[in-house]
Amino acid sequence: DQQVKQNSPSLSVQEGRISILNCDYTNSMFDYFLWYKKYPAEGPTFLISISSIKDKNEDGRFTVFLNKSAKHLSLHIVPSQPGDSAVYFCAACSLRNAGNMLTFGGGTRLMVKP
Amino acid sequence: GAGVSQTPSNKVTEKGKYVELRCDPISGHTALYWYRQSLGQGPEFLIYFQGTGAADDSGLPNDRFFAVRPEGSVSTLKIQRTERGDSAVYLCASSSLGVNTEAFFGQGTRLTVV
Repeated sequence: DQQVKQNSPSLSVQEGRISILNCDYTNSMFDYFLWYKKYPAEGPTFLISISSIKDKNEDGRFTVFLNKSAKHLSLHIVPSQPGDSAVYFCAACSLRNAGNMLTFGGGTRLMVKP
Repeated sequence: GAGVSQTPSNKVTEKGKYVELRCDPISGHTALYWYRQSLGQGPEFLIYFQGTGAADDSGLPNDRFFAVRPEGSVSTLKIQRTERGDSAVYLCASSSLGVNTEAFFGQGTRLTVV
């Protein structure tokens, strides 16, 4: 039973346009959400996060939106750059859980074409 | 070191053999996590250490898997009687914990059981 799902395994976007990556979750105990980016042969690197008390968090070209009622979050990258090409993982945790262990989605491979 | 370091980067072993994977977390991080990433999937939680103790080992798949962190810093993931299904990338992460602190990942150890 996948508690965090990324239904699009891949996404191709033209440089300069917006990339929108989506993520759905089922566990209502999740109250903190993160996006990680992963290049081949490297570990995931933290990108941006959002607490369930917010519906939007912005950091430069990256914005994460959270819709709690729909149990859905999305990552917007604008403008997209070729260096953004990577696999993006959505992750969730419950801050009430002492260890903050992350539950990950399956990832979306983003390809930004020059 | 500046980041989470994992050794070896790659490990090929024969079915039935014993392997040890090492993780050197970011200095001062009290929380340490092991995750496993199978091909085409997101990382899955294995075990979490707070200091020297395993605070949550609910993700370990069976009793062939064991992990230690004797001095609260370096951790070793041990797999006995390896099986081909154990082949995956094993990721280690560390965190200073607290609210809204993200985990930092190492580059992973790619384990191949032949």
